[in-house]
Amino acid sequence: TQLLEQSPQFLSIQEGENLTVYCNSSSVFSSLQWYRQEPGEGPVLLVTVVTGGEVKKLKRLTFQFGDARKDSSLHITAAQPGDTGLYLCAGGNAGKSTFGDGTTLTVKP
Amino acid sequence: DVKVTQSSRYLVKRTGEKVFLECVQDMDHENMFWYRQDPGLGLRLIYFSYDVKMKEKGDIPEGYSVSREKKERFSLILESASTNQTSMYLCASSITQRWQTQYFGPGTRLLVL
Repeated sequence: TQLLEQSPQFLSIQEGENLTVYCNSSSVFSSLQWYRQEPGEGPVLLVTVVTGGEVKKLKRLTFQFGDARKDSSLHITAAQPGDTGLYLCAGGNAGKSTFGDGTTLTVKP
Repeated sequence: DVKVTQSSRYLVKRTGEKVFLECVQDMDHENMFWYRQDPGLGLRLIYFSYDVKMKEKGDIPEGYSVSREKKERFSLILESASTNQTSMYLCASSITQRWQTQYFGPGTRLLVL
């Protein structure tokens, strides 16, 4: 069974602070996705990374896929209240995805 | 943009009722998935389908069945709803490629009384 562990589980910060969320596994994935989910809604795709060592930037969000394709990180610069939500990572293999349990981020104004 | 729609956002049913949850995607994706999401348990895969009329059991198929008669539509059926099936149900779709990017619908919050 492939497992993805996310840390921290909960994060509460002030507007303007930086933060990093981690997604780790002992398994190798062919791809990794990051999603953001708001309460009562479905997860919305933020990014897909497929190459070991790949770094992708989406405005204030920076995503990195580990060299060995077993781990990933999401860094948010100057967090805003609109960044509040549940961040999920998902590793893809053989047509299916394994999801982490998520990091709940609260950004206070 | 990929669009995945689910038939209901909120649903209240009684124990023993048969429940149908429908999901439609408009991007000609081959693969479709049904998950349930519960606090502390994350997303758990119920069933998935790689093609029309094909279905595969996920991690927690007990008490559920599915139907995929058309490529764009994937239905989840609770044969006899029970209170432990109260949950958020999420449908997703993806194309067949090396990287498994799934696109989710808005979810159906089901309450079984």
